[in-house]
Amino acid sequence: TQLLEQSPQFLSIQEGENLTVYCNSSSVFSSLQWYRQEPGEGPVLLVTVVTGGEVKKLKRLTFQFGDARKDSSLHITAAQPGDTGLYLCAGASGSARQLTFGSGTQLTVLP
Amino acid sequence: NAGVTQTPKFQVLKTGQSMTLQCAQDMNHNSMYWYRQDPGMGLRLIYYSASEGTTDKGEVPNGYNVSRLNKREFSLRLESAAPSQTSVYFCATSIGLAGFEQYFGPGTRLTVT
Repeated sequence: TQLLEQSPQFLSIQEGENLTVYCNSSSVFSSLQWYRQEPGEGPVLLVTVVTGGEVKKLKRLTFQFGDARKDSSLHITAAQPGDTGLYLCAGASGSARQLTFGSGTQLTVLP
Repeated sequence: NAGVTQTPKFQVLKTGQSMTLQCAQDMNHNSMYWYRQDPGMGLRLIYYSASEGTTDKGEVPNGYNVSRLNKREFSLRLESAAPSQTSVYFCATSIGLAGFEQYFGPGTRLTVT
């Protein structure tokens, strides 16, 4: 069974601060996705990273895939209350026919 | 386009009762999934269907059955509900299996007393 561990589990910060969320595994993934989920809704895809060492930017969000494709990070610059939500990473491997989801990071950005 | 729809949005069952959660998609996707989400445990896959006519077990299939009725619809049935099945259930779809973006429905919040 492939496991994805996310840290921290909870994060509460003030508007304007920077933060980083981590997603780690002992398994190698062919690609890794990040989703954001708002209360009462299903997760929505933010980004997919495929290549080891890859960095993708989405406005104030920066996503990195580790060189060995076992870990990933999400960095948010100058967080805003609209960034509040549950952030989930999900890994895909060539042998598995489905995604493995991490346990999530609940982010709260206070105005 | 509605995307992925789920019914009902909320349900309360007594232990031992049965029910079916419905999921429909208008995205013409081949693959469909049922997940449950519990606090601190992320999303756990119950069953999935790679394409019309096929279904496979996921990580936590015990106590559930599924039917891929056609390309659009994928239902999840609880034959004899237990309190341990209290959870939020999400249906999702994707063009193909692992690696493709998954599109989620709004979820069904189920409480079993």
